Amino acid sequence: AQKVTQAQTEISVVEKEDVTLDCVYETRDTTYYLFWYKQPPSGELVFLIRRNSFDEQNEISGRYSWNFQKSTSSFNFTITASQVVDSAVYFCALSDPLIYNQGGKLIFGQGTELSVKP
Amino acid sequence: NAGVMQNPRHLVRRRGQEARLRCSPMKGHSHVYWYRQLPEEGLKFMVYLQKENIIDESGMPKERFSAEFPKEGPSILRIQQVVRGDSAAYFCASSPPENSRIGEAFFGQGTRLTVV
Repeated sequence: AQKVTQAQTEISVVEKEDVTLDCVYETRDTTYYLFWYKQPPSGELVFLIRRNSFDEQNEISGRYSWNFQKSTSSFNFTITASQVVDSAVYFCALSDPLIYNQGGKLIFGQGTELSVKP
Repeated sequence: NAGVMQNPRHLVRRRGQEARLRCSPMKGHSHVYWYRQLPEEGLKFMVYLQKENIIDESGMPKERFSAEFPKEGPSILRIQQVVRGDSAAYFCASSPPENSRIGEAFFGQGTRLTVV
């Protein structure tokens, strides 16, 4: 069965600290996509990254970086030098078997609420 | 190119009334997905539609909920005889038809339904 686990329910850090949000997934598919979304207090979903299962290169975008390890089925997200504006709930998601849909059917983790204090 | 548009952003209904949530996909997108986010929870898939067809409704409650995506106009998620437990944020996503862009899905800003 497809499953996404975000074991950290809440994380609290002080501004400028680095923080890593964990994501572990289960899938039987060989081709799949992994996503991270940010949900700020205003409630909308902000797309952060999509990663193809064949691309295991780590990615960096500004203060954000992602570590995809297929061997451990993990797709962790690190924020460097965190800021108060990073406070939000962060969701990791996995695409449902792509044969059945165009990639929009996602399985979401429960989310990690990140609180960055000044 | 406007993003996925959902309206209304906020909807208040009394118990027993009907709620209609609208989703206009991105231009050129022919696949629509609805999700529900209950308080303090992650998003749960409800239904996947293409124009005039329901492809996967495995996440839809068996009663009172229905969805459509007509040939013209937005996709509609309809909840009849709402109950307090239906209070949630409902998100819509759309994706393009081309296989080469499989895996792209864009979310709307959500509709927050409150049942009083």
